[in-house]
Amino acid sequence: EAEVAQSPRYKITEKSQAVAFWCDPISGHATLYWYRQILGQGPELLVQFQDESVVDDSQLPKDRFSAERLKGVDSTLKIQPAELGDSAMYLCASSSRGKNTGELFFGEGSRLTVL
Amino acid sequence: AQSVTQLGSHVSVSEGALVLLRCNYSSSVPPYLFWYVQYPNQGLQLLLKYTTGATLVKGINGFEAEFKKSETSFHLTKPSAHMSDAAEYFCAVSADGNNRLAFGKGNQVVVIP
Repeated sequence: EAEVAQSPRYKITEKSQAVAFWCDPISGHATLYWYRQILGQGPELLVQFQDESVVDDSQLPKDRFSAERLKGVDSTLKIQPAELGDSAMYLCASSSRGKNTGELFFGEGSRLTVL
Repeated sequence: AQSVTQLGSHVSVSEGALVLLRCNYSSSVPPYLFWYVQYPNQGLQLLLKYTTGATLVKGINGFEAEFKKSETSFHLTKPSAHMSDAAEYFCAVSADGNNRLAFGKGNQVVVIP
């Protein structure tokens, strides 16, 4: 069964350091999403890509966060510098082009702890 | 903007008892509504969805939900809880199926033997 792959699963870093997360969506899925899930809360959309283009990054803290999907396949989310409040689970999801059914396929997430 | 409200972060239910998780939504356009489940150390998985048509929708693992426009609700139910239902459940809404989901805070379900 096709899955969304994410790495690393766990990352511990000190504040002010740089951190990066990688996501490989299900093959053929044109839309890719990065969500942030703070402990005790629901996922919050950070950025949405359609192929290599950003569709929505209105909730992405652009002073320290960046995301790219250069070839329209895999994607990287970067934080520089990391702050204590960035500790959270970072979830990647993908969905098929043209099927606005709301069915997103999620990876297992990357849990970030900032010390 | 669309949003959902889920009350009661932790829900305890006895094995074999009814599971009821409440979700109320706010949307300026006809909503698409979803329930996702997250098992420990796993990603979110779609349980069921309402887009158009029949207001009672059935999902996986015996769960179902009913869309009630007059009450702006989409409550999730399962007649008889099983130990394997222990997980976190999220209600979500999108506007006209643009796939941009707004999630609630979730309900952590604990099943008591």
